[in-house]
Amino acid sequence: DVKVTQSSRYLVKRTGEKVFLECVQDMDHENMFWYRQDPGLGLRLIYFSYDVKMKEKGDIPEGYSVSREKKERFSLILESASTNQTSMYLCASSLIYQPQHFGDGTRLSIL
Amino acid sequence: GIQVEQSPPDLILQEGANSTLRCNFSDSVNNLQWFHQNPWGQLINLFYIPSGTKQNGRLSATTVATERYSLLYISSSQTTDSGVYFCAVAYAGSARQLTFGSGTQLTVLP
Repeated sequence: DVKVTQSSRYLVKRTGEKVFLECVQDMDHENMFWYRQDPGLGLRLIYFSYDVKMKEKGDIPEGYSVSREKKERFSLILESASTNQTSMYLCASSLIYQPQHFGDGTRLSIL
Repeated sequence: GIQVEQSPPDLILQEGANSTLRCNFSDSVNNLQWFHQNPWGQLINLFYIPSGTKQNGRLSATTVATERYSLLYISSSQTTDSGVYFCAVAYAGSARQLTFGSGTQLTVLP
């Protein structure tokens, strides 16, 4: 079975902090994704990566950056956290043209 | 971009009842997935079904790509089936990113 592991289930940070969310997959998938989920707005794509060191913006990239130095790891970075980035963050991975598999999610609170 | 509509938005059932959830999409797709999000927020893969019919236990799904809809059937529902069911599609012109519907909130009463 595919395993996508997110580093934290719950995280509390302060406004202005630099925040790192880590995601690791164990199936040699080319594609990795970061989504956020908010009540009433559903799941929206922040960034995705189709290869090491490659990244593409999704629907809501503002305020975020990403890093993919190794194939199995995809990091989401909040450069200067703000309260409107309080959300559920979900990482996923897939082979091209194949189903996406999701991690358990990180509930991030910015105080 | 591609539009995904799910219906009904909310569904309340007695344990043992059957239900059908619908997903309509506005363009050609090369990926369609059904997910169940449990109360802890985990997204569980149910089906990868860009076309055709699949069954897994009490659940089955059918996608008619030419008519741009998919159906998820839940038979003999159990309280553990409660949660939000999402349909997500990848537009055929973009092989990678999923667009999610707004979900169906299912509550199964004992």
